[in-house]
Amino acid sequence: GGIITQTPKFLIGQEGQKLTLKCQQNFNHDTMYWYRQDSGKGLRLIYYSITENDLQKGDLSEGYDASREKKSSFSLTVTSAQKNEMAVFLCASSIWGTSAETLYFGSGTRLTVL
Amino acid sequence: QEKVQQSPESLIVPEGAMVSLNCSFSDSASQSIWWYQQHPGKGPKALISIFSNGNKKEGRLTVYLNRASLHVSLHIKDSQPSDSAVYLCAVSDNVGDNSKLIWGLGTSLVVNP
Repeated sequence: GGIITQTPKFLIGQEGQKLTLKCQQNFNHDTMYWYRQDSGKGLRLIYYSITENDLQKGDLSEGYDASREKKSSFSLTVTSAQKNEMAVFLCASSIWGTSAETLYFGSGTRLTVL
Repeated sequence: QEKVQQSPESLIVPEGAMVSLNCSFSDSASQSIWWYQQHPGKGPKALISIFSNGNKKEGRLTVYLNRASLHVSLHIKDSQPSDSAVYLCAVSDNVGDNSKLIWGLGTSLVVNP
């Protein structure tokens, strides 16, 4: 079996700061995702990538950048942290990216903005 | 766009009870429906999926899909305290694209020993 590792587990930043979240997977999956999980809202897709160096915007991409320089890693940058952005950010992967496949999730990065 | 609603919001049951969780969706063309389990401080973990009308059983889990009524339910037999978690329903109307998954808000389940 494989694992998805997200770092850091907790991230505290100042309003307006640029912050980066990292994700590594050893499943050898092609597709990786970044989701945001807020209380009272369903998971919302920020960015996804179907292969190395590919980036696709999800419904919530404004205010975020992403980077997929290697097949095994996918990073997310909050370009200017806002107080209403406090949430859990979840990284996931799947083999090819079809909805017939299981999504495998990491344990998340909890972001707090002061 | 597809909408996914789950009920109840929360549920408390004694150990050994049968648990029934509901999920309604808005598009009868929805192709794949998934149930995920999320424990506190962890990411969601896939439990079971269904693509065809009818039911599917895996261990203590049974899922029923009725496309005509736009409803899917998850039943957990002989519930255990370790089943205490949030259960998420996810629906996609596009088999070819996982980026189109729409997620419900979840049902929080507590199983008391």
